[in-house]
Amino acid sequence: DAGITQSPRHKVTETGTPVTLRCHQTENHRYMYWYRQDPGHGLRLIHYSYGVKDTDKGEVSDGYSVSRSKTEDFLLTLESATSSQTSVYFCAIGASGEGTQYFGPGTRLTVL
Amino acid sequence: AQSVTQLGSHVSVSEGALVLLRCNYSSSVPPYLFWYVQYPNQGLQLLLKYTSAATLVKGINGFEAEFKKSETSFHLTKPSAHMRDAAEYFCAVSDTQDTGNQFYFGTGTSLTVIP
Repeated sequence: DAGITQSPRHKVTETGTPVTLRCHQTENHRYMYWYRQDPGHGLRLIHYSYGVKDTDKGEVSDGYSVSRSKTEDFLLTLESATSSQTSVYFCAIGASGEGTQYFGPGTRLTVL
Repeated sequence: AQSVTQLGSHVSVSEGALVLLRCNYSSSVPPYLFWYVQYPNQGLQLLLKYTSAATLVKGINGFEAEFKKSETSFHLTKPSAHMRDAAEYFCAVSDTQDTGNQFYFGTGTSLTVIP
């Protein structure tokens, strides 16, 4: 398995609070991604990074921000959590030129 | 723009029967195509991928898929289903010319294997 960890694995929070999810990789891959998974929608891309401090928006970026200050870490922040952001969040990594993405174990977030 | 359609959100097969999960894609450029499997409460695991080499791709756990450009399809098959194949399966497409290597996923197919 690719060396990808996500923390926390589960979190319950209240509407309006900020939340930060962390993705850590030990593979030194260039690309990192954040997805959310919801029933009937598959996986949808939130943000991605193609290098340290280089990020771009995905399909469902509203209400989310990201940062990547080191190759190995990619943080996803919900600036003010809403109930619609209750979901399972997956981090993925990919190497240049290979095409394949490798996924972390996921974080289950519940916003009350 | 790329998109993926997976026909059938739920598929049930008997143990030992053929598994066929359908995936059609839309891509304006030659695509990379992937199948992933997700077991309950786990992340996605790569089953197989097509990257413009052989059109018939063999993956893990006895699965294979055939790229058919004329039909814009990449259906996943397995000759004989096992109970352990029960899971969610996702098809994905990426753009070979996209430097961001973005994936576009189908909505998934849940496979049930009946003993």
